[in-house]
Amino acid sequence: TQLLEQSPQFLSIQEGENLTVYCNSSSVFSSLQWYRQEPGEGPVLLVTVVTGGEVKKLKRLTFQFGDARKDSSLHITAAQPGDTGLYLCAGPKGAQKLVFGQGTRLTINP
Amino acid sequence: GAVVSQHPSRVICKSGTSVKIECRSLDFQATTMFWYRQFPKQSLMLMATSNEGSKATYEQGVEKDKFLINHASLTLSTLTVTSAHPEDSSFYICSAIAGTSTFIDTQYFGPGTRLTVL
Repeated sequence: TQLLEQSPQFLSIQEGENLTVYCNSSSVFSSLQWYRQEPGEGPVLLVTVVTGGEVKKLKRLTFQFGDARKDSSLHITAAQPGDTGLYLCAGPKGAQKLVFGQGTRLTINP
Repeated sequence: GAVVSQHPSRVICKSGTSVKIECRSLDFQATTMFWYRQFPKQSLMLMATSNEGSKATYEQGVEKDKFLINHASLTLSTLTVTSAHPEDSSFYICSAIAGTSTFIDTQYFGPGTRLTVL
């Protein structure tokens, strides 16, 4: 069974601080995705990483895919209150399906 | 592009009644749609995969007679929660695959439907 474990599950920090969220698995994934979900809304895709060792940047967000394609990280620089939300990693499971990590609930305090 | 809508956004019903939730792809044809449920402070759990014109495929532990899925067209899938009970209260989210992606099959998510069963 392909499982994705995210850590930490909860994170509350002050505006301006940096943070890293991790997504780990014992299985190899062909790709991993990161989503952000706000309360009462569906998840929104932030990025897809497909190559081992790949690094992608989206403004203050940096995503990295592990060399062995078993893990990924999301680093946020100078966090802002607008970054508050549930961050989910997800990977393909079989044909077209996605399996999600349990999520990291991030709160940025002004 | 690639917008998915859900209707209703919120619904409250009495125990024992049935509730239908619609999922529509607004600007693309969805070869495959998925239904997820999400309990408070938890992640998304896949319930079933819906393909146009064929029976839905349910994940292990999901009662197909309770959660009826109909994918009648390439732009519409419906989830009917039959004889709803309070434990069915949850956030139901659908997603759709366009089938025309040049990359991996990207799932586009709807905004979700909050179901509360009294």
